[in-house]
Amino acid sequence: ETGVTQTPRHLVMGMTNKKSLKCEQHLGHNAMYWYKQSAKKPLELMFVYNFKEQTENNSVPSRFSPECPNSSHLFLHLHTLQPEDSALYLCASRPTENTEAFFGQGTRLTVV
Amino acid sequence: GENVEQHPSTLSVQEGDSAVIKCTYSDSASNYFPWYKQELGKRPQLIIDIRSNVGEKKDQRIAVTLNKTAKHFSLHITETQPEDSAVYFCAAEPGGGATNKLIFGTGTLLAIQP
Repeated sequence: ETGVTQTPRHLVMGMTNKKSLKCEQHLGHNAMYWYKQSAKKPLELMFVYNFKEQTENNSVPSRFSPECPNSSHLFLHLHTLQPEDSALYLCASRPTENTEAFFGQGTRLTVV
Repeated sequence: GENVEQHPSTLSVQEGDSAVIKCTYSDSASNYFPWYKQELGKRPQLIIDIRSNVGEKKDQRIAVTLNKTAKHFSLHITETQPEDSAVYFCAAEPGGGATNKLIFGTGTLLAIQP
């Protein structure tokens, strides 16, 4: 266990559904991240939050909407996704820059 | 922005032999270079990291070397064992400001043959 917990572990959703992924850490880390892992792009950075503020949006489509209500929780809200969005979504956190990032176990998302 | 390239994409070595994985980065201000191991069905986990003020770092059978001039760094695994089979990712942290992000390479699938 790394101390970063993601729920749900698996999610199947239709293209018209709305769902949310949750990430939680109680490590006292100040930075949290969403990565997308697929066969084409193994670890693609999506969003970065520092001290609850979004500091990076890596040209992610608006059908993905992140939310960071406090320094321990990070959400990824999903709506009107496409089948090509099927992937493993990994959350990570770390204390500050130039330190180890701790990953959650990921949410395996399938869009049908 | 930072771009990290990793080679090879797959690597097969005999048990007991050494394995080397290489990465290059584009941002000369990058200052932190971790390596992660991801076993099948599991999360990526840090195995070793190096900062830009150091040229080499070793931890038992694993070592990392950094050449800042050439902007490349390498992972060396000696006396490989079956449990070393996994996907390995290099990463670089861009410098020049409070970016606080890690850019990963495309991964290397390492298979240790008994």
